[in-house]
Amino acid sequence: TQLLEQSPQFLSIQEGENLTVYCNSSSVFSSLQWYRQEPGEGPVLLVTVVTGGEVKKLKRLTFQFGDARKDSSLHITAAQPGDTGLYLCAGLRSSGSARQLTFGSGTQLTVLP
Amino acid sequence: KAGVTQTPRYLIKTRGQQVTLSCSPISGHRSVSWYQQTPGQGLQFLFEYFSETQRNKGNFPGRFSGRQFSNSRSEMNVSTLELGDSALYLCASSREGFANTGELFFGEGSRLTVL
Repeated sequence: TQLLEQSPQFLSIQEGENLTVYCNSSSVFSSLQWYRQEPGEGPVLLVTVVTGGEVKKLKRLTFQFGDARKDSSLHITAAQPGDTGLYLCAGLRSSGSARQLTFGSGTQLTVLP
Repeated sequence: KAGVTQTPRYLIKTRGQQVTLSCSPISGHRSVSWYQQTPGQGLQFLFEYFSETQRNKGNFPGRFSGRQFSNSRSEMNVSTLELGDSALYLCASSREGFANTGELFFGEGSRLTVL
């Protein structure tokens, strides 16, 4: 069982449409990050959210951290082909003195021109 | 400044062999983490090194090992390769490990194929 569940797993939309990707867990995270990965490359950090209820905007991307810090969403407005990629959420948890970043399973987004 | 550099980018090995992958972190970053990425399992945490010490370890068998040098460069080694070890191995560096919000800066990865 994945600690972080992302949905949908695959998403194919037309240019100009809006979409939302969800990242859910039963665990509380001290912070949550969103990354985008393109083929042949490593993930690139988009944003970090820390405070429950926090909303951050990055151009056409809006990120929200749930009030209980267990879930997050990524909303893209007027998607463009350049938004195509694998979107990954990652939650930071502490276990004793150890801290670990756990990744979700990812959402593969394809934006068709 | 230069990003995270991983070598080699691609390699092919056969079952039973061993492999060593290298990672040079961003200058000034002291933490290096390794992840295995496969289509079925996604990104799985292998281990994290900070100041030459392994600070965190994921649930991988002992065939997977790593080390970090005094200049923060890191290597990971996989011995007795199995077909299931075929994956993209990603290295990520961060300024102080997961001290604050844990942002990672990833390299482009080393694509390992085991035949």
